[in-house]
Amino acid sequence: AQKITQTQPGMFVQEKEAVTLDCTYDTSDPSYGLFWYKQPSSGEMIFLIYQGSYDQQNATEGRYSLNFQKARKSANLVISASQLGDSAMYFCAMREGPTGNQFYFGTGTSLTVIP
Amino acid sequence: GAGVSQSPSNKVTEKGKDVELRCDPISGHTALYWYRQSLGQGLEFLIYFQGNSAPDKSGLPSDRFSAERTGGSVSTLTIQRTQQEDSAVYLCASSFDRPRATNYGYTFGSGTRLTVV
Repeated sequence: AQKITQTQPGMFVQEKEAVTLDCTYDTSDPSYGLFWYKQPSSGEMIFLIYQGSYDQQNATEGRYSLNFQKARKSANLVISASQLGDSAMYFCAMREGPTGNQFYFGTGTSLTVIP
Repeated sequence: GAGVSQSPSNKVTEKGKDVELRCDPISGHTALYWYRQSLGQGLEFLIYFQGNSAPDKSGLPSDRFSAERTGGSVSTLTIQRTQQEDSAVYLCASSFDRPRATNYGYTFGSGTRLTVV
């Protein structure tokens, strides 16, 4: 089974509007971390936001927030007030347990912000 | 350095040739990771280094792939007898020592785009 599933290959959003990028995950480990990365056309992976499995509140970082629904195993990224510079690929990732060596990545969502 | 540096940024090679990809992690980062990203795909884990040792090589796709790390710093990923299916972007990431908590993100380099013709 896929560890991370991103079902939206491509999304469009009007500038200044909010957009939600979906992510579901699969793990039996009670301790895990969920991450979102942005990959612009330059190719570098840019860390956006982190949510720990034991965190009680949804993570927020500026215009980014993570809608964490533990029972549903979903960790959707919400971008508010979209900007043209937000156009990029977005990857959801998970790291399992306190000793996990690797991240598991989804296949990504391509976001295009329309002026 | 200030960030993770990878070289070359682009590499075109003929099928059957060997290639070496280099990663220079952030100074002080003891953990180093290699990933592969094929066109339209997510990132595929290849190998993890802690210092100069590689406790997890589980993602290397074949024995044509090898990696080493020296001085707890620079790492080299070597692909022997390259095949067309090796064409991908190879990303390196580094972090501080394997954390006790899961809230350590990686810092990624910009990758090496490998094209095998």
